Amino acid sequence: EPEVTQTPSHQVTQMGQEVILRCVPISNHLYFYWYRQILGQKVEFLVSFYNNEISEKSEIFDDQFSVERPDGSNFTLKIRSTKLEDSAMYFCASSFRGRDGELFFGEGSRLTVL
Amino acid sequence: AQTVTQSQPEMSVQEAETVTLSCTYDTSESDYYLFWYKQPPSRQMILVIRQEAYKQQNATENRFSVNFQKAAKSFSLKISDSQLGDAAMYFCAYRIWNSGNTPLVFGKGTRLSVIA
Repeated sequence: EPEVTQTPSHQVTQMGQEVILRCVPISNHLYFYWYRQILGQKVEFLVSFYNNEISEKSEIFDDQFSVERPDGSNFTLKIRSTKLEDSAMYFCASSFRGRDGELFFGEGSRLTVL
Repeated sequence: AQTVTQSQPEMSVQEAETVTLSCTYDTSESDYYLFWYKQPPSRQMILVIRQEAYKQQNATENRFSVNFQKAAKSFSLKISDSQLGDAAMYFCAYRIWNSGNTPLVFGKGTRLSVIA
């Protein structure tokens, strides 16, 4: 069964460093998302992406964040200069349809900023 | 802004028994979707069940069913004949119904333990 895969599963970085989290969505999906979950808190929407551009983004997704689909298969989230408060689990998701399509989630990438 | 509230951080149930997880939400919209996602330990979230707000009939998927009370903005999940594999974090989520690519809004989750 096709799955969304994410790498790395866990990354530890120093404050101020750049981090790239990678996702491979399900191959025939058209809509892509990043969510994050700070430990003990709710899963929060970061950004959605369709047709090679951002569809919607939350207040969390500031200028430090960017997304890219560089090669038609990967979907990446870049954090330019990490802060302590960026420590969280980051989930990638994809769907075939936008409006009512089921979102398929990856296992998440845990980011720890020291 | 839409919000989703799960008031039970943790629940437990005996194997083969029935458990109900609560979820309430706040929205001014009339058309939307509601979801329950399951996240087993160290695994990705998977969709358990979905309800369209315009449908009066409660959704059912095998042992999983919902009690959707639109006026009360309540969307509880009932798991019948609980199995050890049902142990997981359960997230209630809301999504507005429109033509765009709108995000899911999640609750904080309920951790369900199943006791053998």
